[in-house]
Amino acid sequence: AAGVIQSPRHLIKEKRETATLKCYPIPRHDTVYWYQQGPGQDPQFLISFYEKMQSDKGSIPDRFSAQQFSDYHSELNMSSLELGDSALYFCASSADSGGQETQYFGPGTRLLVL
Amino acid sequence: ELKVEQNPLFLSMQEGKNYTIYCNYSTTSDRLYWYRQDPGKSLESLFVLLSNGAVKQEGRLMASLDTKARLSTLHITAAVHDLSATYFCAVPGGTDKLIFGTGTRLQVFP
Repeated sequence: AAGVIQSPRHLIKEKRETATLKCYPIPRHDTVYWYQQGPGQDPQFLISFYEKMQSDKGSIPDRFSAQQFSDYHSELNMSSLELGDSALYFCASSADSGGQETQYFGPGTRLLVL
Repeated sequence: ELKVEQNPLFLSMQEGKNYTIYCNYSTTSDRLYWYRQDPGKSLESLFVLLSNGAVKQEGRLMASLDTKARLSTLHITAAVHDLSATYFCAVPGGTDKLIFGTGTRLQVFP
């Protein structure tokens, strides 16, 4: 079965640089979620989109922005990167919004900020 | 603010033994999710518990939900090495967000 696709899988950036992470949801899933997981930590919700509109927001820094496109893929844009942004970034998708459906997670993008 | 706590945080158990992981959450919720994560890997959905008294079983894992006690359990029966991973419970904490527990790192040894 098709899964959530994330790219790139690994990314190394310098402080103050920008990064763009991409997420392609499972076909026919219209809701996308972004989570950040630091080393040894539990995943922290960043933001979600339903039908291309932001539907929920968590602890996402102002330096980060995200959007969902007409084909339902999503991009997380991160600017002025800091060392503390080094983490695993997961995208998840579900068939509906509102917490009613299981969120299926992608393989993650491992971001290292030097 | 919703808090989700798991215990134990670390669990080292011998193959063939049984054990239970506990997940407590601080506000009302009628659903709870269990995920498994291997080191550096994605989160794999294990169970979705949708109502009070729900029980689900898959192989050597069985999960239950008591919404009145705000408690879920993940019971491991006759552990095998392949079950070694970190297990997270998660509770809906808003429109879409999941609030994850602290995670239980399980290691099964021969």
